[in-house]
Amino acid sequence: SQQGEEDPQALSIQEGENATMNCSYKTSINNLQWYRQNSGRGLVHLILIRSNEREKHSGRLRVTLDTSKKSSSLLITASRAADTASYFCATDPGNTGKLIFGQGTTLQVKP
Amino acid sequence: DAGITQSPRHKVTETGTPVTLRCHQTENHRYMYWYRQDPGHGLRLIHYSYGVKDTDKGEVSDGYSVSRSKTEDFLLTLESATSSQTSVYFCAIGESELVVYTFGSGTRLTVV
Repeated sequence: SQQGEEDPQALSIQEGENATMNCSYKTSINNLQWYRQNSGRGLVHLILIRSNEREKHSGRLRVTLDTSKKSSSLLITASRAADTASYFCATDPGNTGKLIFGQGTTLQVKP
Repeated sequence: DAGITQSPRHKVTETGTPVTLRCHQTENHRYMYWYRQDPGHGLRLIHYSYGVKDTDKGEVSDGYSVSRSKTEDFLLTLESATSSQTSVYFCAIGESELVVYTFGSGTRLTVV
């Protein structure tokens, strides 16, 4: 079963613009994570937000979490061509140490 | 990725043959995972391990087995490969059950 679902599936923007990706999940969580995957590579952890946090920043990344709506968003500000990648949200709904990933948003940043 | 390596990186095998993929870590992390990634399905958990000789099934474990005889190695075996097992396989490690994962670079397996 799919715990997290990202929206949109694909996003294409110009360099310098902001990119926003959304993630919805189904069950209660303790935290939500975002990962990036460059083409042909493994996933890389970007940021973790806990259920008692509403917003978190890391460099040009801003993540929000709305537990009442069971949704999260990832904002990349002032995007660069190097941000071109797929972005995945991940949750551990049963707190069992097993992350469940969404299908991802593919971001293309045009120079 | 630092501290975790997967081998082989690419493999082509014939239907019905056994295949073993290896994940090796130098981080001494307790938790290890095998995922497969397919278009339209994202990443799906195959098996995971929470210690030496302690393993459990994930979402898509049918047709796969695993072994972990040492902390650093987690092996994924396809006993009799099928075309539906053509995929990219990722290993991940975690220090504890509540921490982030570190992923390997993946193994692209093609079953013909």
